[in-house]
Amino acid sequence: AQSVTQLDSHVSVSEGTPVLLRCNYSSSYSPSLFWYVQHPNKGLQLLLKYTSAATLVKGINGFEAEFKKSETSFHLTKPSAHMSDAAEYFCVVSDLTRGSYIPTFGRGTSLIVHP
Amino acid sequence: NAGVTQTPKFRVLKTGQSMTLLCAQDMNHEYMYWYRQDPGMGLRLIHYSVGEGTTAKGEVPDGYNVSRLKKQNFLLGLESAAPSQTSVYFCASSPGNTQYFGPGTRLTVL
Repeated sequence: AQSVTQLDSHVSVSEGTPVLLRCNYSSSYSPSLFWYVQHPNKGLQLLLKYTSAATLVKGINGFEAEFKKSETSFHLTKPSAHMSDAAEYFCVVSDLTRGSYIPTFGRGTSLIVHP
Repeated sequence: NAGVTQTPKFRVLKTGQSMTLLCAQDMNHEYMYWYRQDPGMGLRLIHYSVGEGTTAKGEVPDGYNVSRLKKQNFLLGLESAAPSQTSVYFCASSPGNTQYFGPGTRLTVL
């Protein structure tokens, strides 16, 4: 069975400092991994995805994530936070355990950016 | 190309009332999903469909029914609404493993 754990429910940073949002996953198959962002009262937008190609994945708005199979991690990073990055971030794992793509969501990490 | 749309955007129901939420996608995706989002819980899968005419239960299916009579539409029904169903509902579609989400429906059950 697949599962995903977001290690921090809240992360607080100052504008201009690095961002690290942590995600660990469990999967019996070669998983696909995703990060989505949700701004207040909005829908979910795909930030980036890993689907067994390059382990370092670059996404939109300067975010990137590294797939580390040995650590079963897919942490999201950004070198310099911007006020507009304040949002909820979801890590998602998806594989074909049940013969279809049924993604599993983490509980989310709220990113707070201070001026 | 509208992507994924949801109707309505907001709704208030009284306990025991019924309603249907409509999700439509114009990307010819095979997979469609209904989620509910509650504070601190992430998104939880209610039901999903892997193609026209098919549906399956997700993590939290009780109190909900779905239908996928046409490939582009996925309907979520509440037969007898309960306050515990107060939530934000998101629909998504997917050609495989990448999901595209609708804007959500905020439902309040009094």
